[in-house]
Amino acid sequence: GAVVSQHPSWVICKSGTSVKIECRSLDFQATTMFWYRQFPKQSLMLMATSNEGSKATYEQGVEKDKFLINHASLTLSTLTVTSAHPEDSSFYICSAPAGLAGGEGEQFFGPGTRLTVL
Amino acid sequence: GENVEQHPSTLSVQEGDSAVIKCTYSDSASNYFPWYKQELGKRPQLIIDIRSNVGEKKDQRIAVTLNKTAKHFSLHITETQPEDSAVYFCAASKDTGRRALTFGSGTRLQVQP
Repeated sequence: GAVVSQHPSWVICKSGTSVKIECRSLDFQATTMFWYRQFPKQSLMLMATSNEGSKATYEQGVEKDKFLINHASLTLSTLTVTSAHPEDSSFYICSAPAGLAGGEGEQFFGPGTRLTVL
Repeated sequence: GENVEQHPSTLSVQEGDSAVIKCTYSDSASNYFPWYKQELGKRPQLIIDIRSNVGEKKDQRIAVTLNKTAKHFSLHITETQPEDSAVYFCAASKDTGRRALTFGSGTRLQVQP
């Protein structure tokens, strides 16, 4: 199957700083990528849809000015958590629809980024 | 939007027994239903999926059934092994348009040796 990478795999930052997380499709192009957030012992919740060449679409309750998304190319989407606070500590996972790289509807997930805000 | 409910939240079985996890969805337009296994700190791993034109799908010890009329689908694991212990998530999406997955709340499966 196709491969999606994320960087960094984990990050610790001080409250008030910004953190950028990269999501890359390594062997296929992705015009759309999804960003999910998973708090401990909870499910994955969709935060936003990243669209190459246009603005991201945010889910209700997700602050677009706090979680900046840039889909810079057909293989890269970035999520920047601005002015991070301890409540933003979570596991952030991106995914990309398989398209021609997989079955219809199938998505490929990145390995996730563990963010800890002190 | 779509809402997916999953039961039970925890499930403990003896090795060799079967395990069944059930999900219901709300959006009748959803047509893709994957099941994921997630180990602590790892990405969700697709274990089986089913599309709305099929009622049942099996892959060795794992099977999924789909009832479109009732809008529910189930995961069946037979001959469970300790390595099956993990958190399992069901999800639903449309395979056209936005295609984002809506996940169930998860089931923690523990297989006792």
